[in-house]
Amino acid sequence: NAGVTQTPKFQVLKTGQSMTLQCAQDMNHNSMYWYRQDPGMGLRLIYYSASEGTTDKGEVPNGYNVSRLNKREFSLRLESAAPSQTSVYFCASSTRGGFNEQFFGPGTRLTVL
Amino acid sequence: DAKTTQPTSMDCAEGRAANLPCNHSTISGNEYVYWYRQIHSQGPQYIIHGLKNNETNEMASLIITEDRKSSTLILPHATLRDTAVYYCIVRLMNSGGSNYKLTFGKGTLLTVNP
Repeated sequence: NAGVTQTPKFQVLKTGQSMTLQCAQDMNHNSMYWYRQDPGMGLRLIYYSASEGTTDKGEVPNGYNVSRLNKREFSLRLESAAPSQTSVYFCASSTRGGFNEQFFGPGTRLTVL
Repeated sequence: DAKTTQPTSMDCAEGRAANLPCNHSTISGNEYVYWYRQIHSQGPQYIIHGLKNNETNEMASLIITEDRKSSTLILPHATLRDTAVYYCIVRLMNSGGSNYKLTFGKGTLLTVNP
């Protein structure tokens, strides 16, 4: 039982390049989330997917797109990376209702030059 | 969701109890108090949550004041591995609607010293 896995662990992009961050969970959770964390800050929600087939914007969705590929996988895409998107990205998953204890992945450290 | 206030940092000696306070004076009657922690460079980890009764699990205890305006997370015997940023979060229990967001503030950096 791997929990929440994220790939890649590290990535360096040039301004304007695109890339997709991958996230998968094996806990049969309905809900999945993408957060970003900037230095010295708390986490901010980018997008979430309450259940397979649905996605919604969080606090900071601009510059990102998401795809809930199936129940296990939730990807985050940067179409045209900007230096302001340099951050650590965390994926999380939870049950849909109830207390929603969220389980987090190890993070992807992205630098945009 | 109600706003929370936590000290920026705290120190604790190894083996002693660590008591982390959180103020949530605007909490509403059906909002829960959650605690997460983030060890350096890792994803956040759920610790405990409660509504109005004190709660205990294998990681920690949560003490909520009778008026629910503040709470304290207690790590009974802190170890060096408990050095982390601790986040106090107040939110509604999700009933299948749209309230999924966890709002993370800056938290408290707890440093456990040998």
